[in-house]
Amino acid sequence: AQSVTQLGSHVSVSEGALVLLRCNYSSSVPPYLFWYVQYPNQGLQLLLKYTSAATLVKGINGFEAEFKKSETSFHLTKPSAHMSDAAEYFCAVRNRNSGNTPLVFGKGTRLSVIA
Amino acid sequence: DGGITQSPKYLFRKEGQNVTLSCEQNLNHDAMYWYRQDPGQGLRLIYYSQIVNDFQKGDIAEGYSVSREKKESFPLTVTSAQKNPTAFYLCASSILLANTDTQYFGPGTRLTVL
Repeated sequence: AQSVTQLGSHVSVSEGALVLLRCNYSSSVPPYLFWYVQYPNQGLQLLLKYTSAATLVKGINGFEAEFKKSETSFHLTKPSAHMSDAAEYFCAVRNRNSGNTPLVFGKGTRLSVIA
Repeated sequence: DGGITQSPKYLFRKEGQNVTLSCEQNLNHDAMYWYRQDPGQGLRLIYYSQIVNDFQKGDIAEGYSVSREKKESFPLTVTSAQKNPTAFYLCASSILLANTDTQYFGPGTRLTVL
């Protein structure tokens, strides 16, 4: 079954520092990949998604992610963390060959930003 | 204003009672989904529906039931058979044009069983 692994359940960075949240997928065929953000007691909001048009994907709030087939990865980055980035981030996957099936989510990474 | 509405935001029930969570969308989306979120476990799929009057079980369907009588509505019933129902429940929807489609989420309902 399709899955994603998010390394690190909690990441802490200083304000202004680089944010790097890791996501690795498990399939041999490159899937479609999504990053979502969730603020406390709220629903999920799409940050960006990889649909094979370009390997470097730019999203909202200054985030971007790069698809690397050789590393089976889709890590999320932001050059300079802001206090408002503190939230939980989820990587999600859909198999390219299985039709429009529900997304499968990773366990999430909680990002803390220290002033 | 288009979106997904989940009500109520917080719900408290006594053990052994069935409870129904509401999910409504006015996005004209074909597909709707229910996920359960527990700390450290991410989102797990309970049920989904791609067309009115049809739905499929997800990974953790035991103890839950759904209906899809209208395109815009997909209520979830948490039955007394669900052994650990306290959780945050998220409803989502999407169009079904391509398998790159985004799932859009509602604000969630936090269910606490006492």
